[in-house]
Amino acid sequence: KAGVTQTPRYLIKTRGQQVTLSCSPISGHRSVSWYQQTPGQGLQFLFEYFSETQRNKGNFPGRFSGRQFSNSRSEMNVSTLELGDSALYLCASSLGAGALYEQYFGPGTRLTVT
Amino acid sequence: AQSVTQPDIHITVSEGASLELRCNYSYGATPYLFWYVQSPGQGLQLLLKYFSGDTLVQGIKGFEAEFKRSQSSFNLRKPSVHWSDAAEYFCAVGDRDDKIIFGKGTRLHILP
Repeated sequence: KAGVTQTPRYLIKTRGQQVTLSCSPISGHRSVSWYQQTPGQGLQFLFEYFSETQRNKGNFPGRFSGRQFSNSRSEMNVSTLELGDSALYLCASSLGAGALYEQYFGPGTRLTVT
Repeated sequence: AQSVTQPDIHITVSEGASLELRCNYSYGATPYLFWYVQSPGQGLQLLLKYFSGDTLVQGIKGFEAEFKRSQSSFNLRKPSVHWSDAAEYFCAVGDRDDKIIFGKGTRLHILP
């Protein structure tokens, strides 16, 4: 069974631009969560989607948004990029929603904002 | 607010030696507790989890962890480390909204 895939793996953007990251979950998984990982703040929860609905949201500004499609694939968008948005963005999928279900992580998308 | 503290940013042990990584959490009720490992350039992999019941939990790759409510701790142990265990280890807690909150991580270095 294929694992969680994230595209692109690396991305360089300029301040003020916007970016869209994609996550394809493991087949059969209906929940997708997104995390931002930085050396200073560590891993921070962005949001979780289950059956195309945002179920949970972390403490991030409205510039960070996401969505989930009927096939469970998910995208996250960051508008008006800032230098501080440079990070590894990790996606995780699970069979169900919430902490009870094991999360399987993708390799991440490394975003660099210049 | 729920939080997780991993007091050791870096730990170095010799190959074959025992390992203990510390984790303390702040949570009002019985928490869901996790340990994840992240190898360079990789995503996170779940090592083990505690939801309820036996406070000593066995995981993959020979790891175990013990939940101690009185100390609000969930330390990870391994009796004998291998060079391939060099990685970053994250403790995490599931909060009442079912979000998972991660500690800042402990980077494990292995001496040959």
